Amino acid sequence: QKEVEQDPGPLSVPEGAIVSLNCTYSNSAFQYFMWYRQYSRKGPELLMYTYSSGNKEDGRFTAQVDKSSKYISLFIRDSQPSDSATYLCAMSGGYSSASKIIFGSGTRLSIRP
Amino acid sequence: DSGVTQTPKHLITATGQRVTLRCSPRSGDLSVYWYQQSLDQGLQFLIQYYNGEERAKGNILERFSAQQFPDLHSELNLSSLELGDSALYFCATHPGLADTGELFFGEGSRLTVL
Repeated sequence: QKEVEQDPGPLSVPEGAIVSLNCTYSNSAFQYFMWYRQYSRKGPELLMYTYSSGNKEDGRFTAQVDKSSKYISLFIRDSQPSDSATYLCAMSGGYSSASKIIFGSGTRLSIRP
Repeated sequence: DSGVTQTPKHLITATGQRVTLRCSPRSGDLSVYWYQQSLDQGLQFLIQYYNGEERAKGNILERFSAQQFPDLHSELNLSSLELGDSALYFCATHPGLADTGELFFGEGSRLTVL
């Protein structure tokens, strides 16, 4: 079983829709939760970063972490064609886990104009 | 532009050969991570260096090795290459230990093994 599971998609939605992207994980030591966005032929870039459980909002993006369920989500409101990319969740346990930052396999998202 | 430079961008070689991928971190970044990204495996953590010392190891094959030099650039050496080694290799850097996961990625080196 992989430590981090992410539905690979692809996911295609119309412009303006609300998008929900999710990851589940098995390692209860994870404390830091990230979402990275990767455009085609580019390196991933950090989109959102959350520590422990709770919600974090940044513009049209909201990240949610539910540690009791080992489940994290990224919501994109008013989705735009420029949001079309692969979204990767990532997690780490902090110093105690020797810096291993584990990524999900990524969900490919396409926003139709 | 993240400020992390990877060379070469593309590399085509044959099975059994050896290649070296290079990563130049952002100014002041002490941590370098190497990841392999393939279609069926996603982004796989290979190895991390911090200020010249190996700090964490992931699913790195024995045929692969890495090092970080005093000027903080890093090299990933891949030897006895197999078809399955064809992938995008990313390095990512961070000013400190990056245990919180905020990494700055280069644009990757695309390796094709024929």
